[in-house]
Amino acid sequence: GDSVTQMEGPVTLSEEAFLTINCTYTATGYPSLFWYVQYPGEGLQLLLKATKADDKGSNKGFEATYRKETTSFHLEKGSVQVSDSAVYFCALIDTGGGNKLTFGTGTQLKVEL
Amino acid sequence: DTAVSQTPKYLVTQMGNDKSIKCEQNLGHDTMYWYKQDSKKFLKIMFSYNNKELIINETVPNRFSPKSPDKAHLNLHINSLELGDSAVYFCASSHSLGEAFFGQGTRLTVV
Repeated sequence: GDSVTQMEGPVTLSEEAFLTINCTYTATGYPSLFWYVQYPGEGLQLLLKATKADDKGSNKGFEATYRKETTSFHLEKGSVQVSDSAVYFCALIDTGGGNKLTFGTGTQLKVEL
Repeated sequence: DTAVSQTPKYLVTQMGNDKSIKCEQNLGHDTMYWYKQDSKKFLKIMFSYNNKELIINETVPNRFSPKSPDKAHLNLHINSLELGDSAVYFCASSHSLGEAFFGQGTRLTVV
């Protein structure tokens, strides 16, 4: 079945540091890939998405590229801020898996001054 | 205007009670979901409805019963609550294979 694997946290960075959160997936069809962010005490918000191979999703300085050859969708940001502290979830929805959004385990990011 | 709204936001109840969580979306989506998030932030899908039809029913105890009176609503009823049911429950909606929009969550505490 479909699955998403992302790096374990927590990840602690200093402000303005470079961020990478790794995400790899397995899917039976042609998935769309997503990154969601959950700020403390809130629901999940879509951060960015990519629907086919080589697409790059970007939003608020975050980027991720859909790499079919490595089945990856790593999240990057060049310079993190304290306000980026949150839990980040990689997810996929697969054309062959029904209307099921499958999430990774989440990666907690803490950014310090 | 809240896109996906769920009520209540907090729910504290005793073991053995029956409770319901309501969810409404005003986005015109055809698919709605219930997810459970545990204390380690792990998200697990429970149910998915498409056009009021149940299409995903993961291995959830039959004490949990979803009900979709129309495409805009998906309620979750839980019978005989147990301590292990304590979690945050999220409702979400989407167009069939599009990104999901989430509600703010209902924090259920069973004591």
